[in-house]
Amino acid sequence: AQSVTQPDIHITVSEGASLELRCNYSYGATPYLFWYVQSPGQGLQLLLKYFSGDTLVQGIKGFEAEFKRSQSSFNLRKPSVHWSDAAEYFCAVDTGNQFYFGTGTSLTVIP
Amino acid sequence: NAGVTQTPKFRILKIGQSMTLQCAQDMNHNYMYWYRQDPGMGLKLIYYSVGAGITDKGEVPNGYNVSRSTTEDFPLRLELAAPSQTSVYFCASSSSGLAKNIQYFGAGTRLSVL
Repeated sequence: AQSVTQPDIHITVSEGASLELRCNYSYGATPYLFWYVQSPGQGLQLLLKYFSGDTLVQGIKGFEAEFKRSQSSFNLRKPSVHWSDAAEYFCAVDTGNQFYFGTGTSLTVIP
Repeated sequence: NAGVTQTPKFRILKIGQSMTLQCAQDMNHNYMYWYRQDPGMGLKLIYYSVGAGITDKGEVPNGYNVSRSTTEDFPLRLELAAPSQTSVYFCASSSSGLAKNIQYFGAGTRLSVL
């Protein structure tokens, strides 16, 4: 069965520090991969996506993610976190039939 | 640009009551989706539609019904509300059902069943 795992339920980082959010998927082929961000009381907003080609993809708000086929991972990174990045982050995969979302990682940014 | 609009934003229901969650999009998207989001569980797909007149079940369809009479609207119906349906509901739309689709989400409807 397809699944998406975000092993970190909650992460706290200091403003200006680097960030990496982990995502692993389970799927027979290479799915299409996404990262979404959800601010409190809001819907989900797409940060970036991977379909094919260059395994390092750039997104909005200074985020990037790297697809590693050998590790079935699609980790999200940002070199310097801003206080406004505090939110819930969801990794998702599209198998062509359905979307599957991870359980999310809540990010707290401390001054 | 309105995008995906959901109404109401909040609702409290009594057990056994019925209600319809409204979803409308103005992007002329063919595909529309309903998800529920429970704490610590991520989003689960309830129903989706690939176009007017066509709907299909997702992961967790029990207790819900949908219809798609127009491209713009995709209402979600709860016939006999149960406490297990307390959740935040998100509607989304996309321009294509191919894997290259990108979903656009509404702001959500927070529903409590007491």
